[in-house]
Amino acid sequence: QVQLQESGPGLVKPSETLSLTCAVSGYSISSGYYWGWIRQPPGKGLEWIGSIYHSGSTYYNPSLKSRVTISVDTSKNQFSLKLSSVTAADTAVYYCARHLVGAAHFDYWGQGTLVTVSS
Amino acid sequence: QSVLTQPPSASGTPGQRVTISCSGSSSNIGSNTVNWYQQLPGTAPKLLIYSNNQRPSGVPDRFSGSKSGTSASLAISGLQSEDEADYYCAAWDDSLNGDVVFGGGTKLTVL
Repeated sequence: QVQLQESGPGLVKPSETLSLTCAVSGYSISSGYYWGWIRQPPGKGLEWIGSIYHSGSTYYNPSLKSRVTISVDTSKNQFSLKLSSVTAADTAVYYCARHLVGAAHFDYWGQGTLVTVSS
Repeated sequence: QSVLTQPPSASGTPGQRVTISCSGSSSNIGSNTVNWYQQLPGTAPKLLIYSNNQRPSGVPDRFSGSKSGTSASLAISGLQSEDEADYYCAAWDDSLNGDVVFGGGTKLTVL
């Protein structure tokens, strides 16, 4: 069974960089699929942040692209998100998920982690 | 403002059939498959329908999806109280570099 687990600080100060990691078990990242990050501000809808392939190929949401870096570590079977210059608007539950390239077909999701941006 | 447009709310009584619409454009729904997600309160979204009308294993056949042109619909028949949740449509968008777009979500209330 494929499982994803997000980890990282739950509180980040404004203007700093948010860093999260998604550990994957039950499936090798190197075997295929894209691995993505999606966020959900409190009481609001889902927003795709970006995705990465095991080769390092990435797709980013154009509205966040200037602040986002997604990387992959196949040796640890995990991938990571960095979002720079955060503001209160970046407060959200952050999910990691697996999907097919060229499709918004996210079949396995992490449980999500709440990140609050506040001083 | 979401790229895909959904009604913010929908409702029905137990046993009824309800539909939720999702409207997009030629660069997303018009040229790619549509997926639907169910999100129960306090939980991660769950894939409900993929490739327009396919159900993952374990999803009851009360849930069905369809697509026509640049719009899609999710239908729930035999509505049950446990269907009360938020529903999101999503599709790949071919504009620019390619990205994932979501609808704003529809809150389904079972009366």
